[in-house]
Amino acid sequence: SQQGEEDPQALSIQEGENATMNCSYKTSINNLQWYRQNSGRGLVHLILIRSNEREKHSGRLRVTLDTSKKSSSLLITASRAADTASYFCATDRGSRLTFGEGTQLTVNP
Amino acid sequence: NAGVMQNPRHLVRRRGQEARLRCSPVKGHSHVYWYRQLPEEGLKFMVYLQKENIIDESGMPKERFSAEFPKEGPSILRIQQVVRGDSAAYFCASSPLGRRGGLSNEQFFGPGTRLTVL
Repeated sequence: SQQGEEDPQALSIQEGENATMNCSYKTSINNLQWYRQNSGRGLVHLILIRSNEREKHSGRLRVTLDTSKKSSSLLITASRAADTASYFCATDRGSRLTFGEGTQLTVNP
Repeated sequence: NAGVMQNPRHLVRRRGQEARLRCSPVKGHSHVYWYRQLPEEGLKFMVYLQKENIIDESGMPKERFSAEFPKEGPSILRIQQVVRGDSAAYFCASSPLGRRGGLSNEQFFGPGTRLTVL
């Protein structure tokens, strides 16, 4: 299976709830990044966590990285309808980013 | 400051025609990456270029696809004799630095070009 797999594939929650998305990868990495993509639009960079970091915060986002398990999680707290989008993790091993298939998050008002 | 710009945003071609996709990186960025996204899938790396050089084209199909990043002007992704399977969103990204001594850099993505082959 490919590098950077997210789960779940789809997640539907109510506004105000927290959303957790997970990402697993197979090879060693320099860093791991999370992106958001609104339907039919480009990617927006959310957060980058380096391989020597375990946790990082940015506003309502919290990212963890466990290099021993080759996994990362993205937590969005107090979700809003505007958070509805696809979320992708991407691993960086050099000149390229390797993306997972994404998690489609729907936040219902 | 302008971000990565891509044009056209939407492109429709008939089978057998050529498609040219343009990407202007963030001002001052000399590294450009092209990715392809099929419907309901993640992005797949195609090619990495620096000014006038192709650094990594391991994700590019061997035939019909080519890319360039000239000294002056935008990067161009060219698809000759398009087929229906080429229909996808093509994203360009740029970064100020490439891989250097273990450092890695955030890539800034453009809005993409959506190619439809009839």
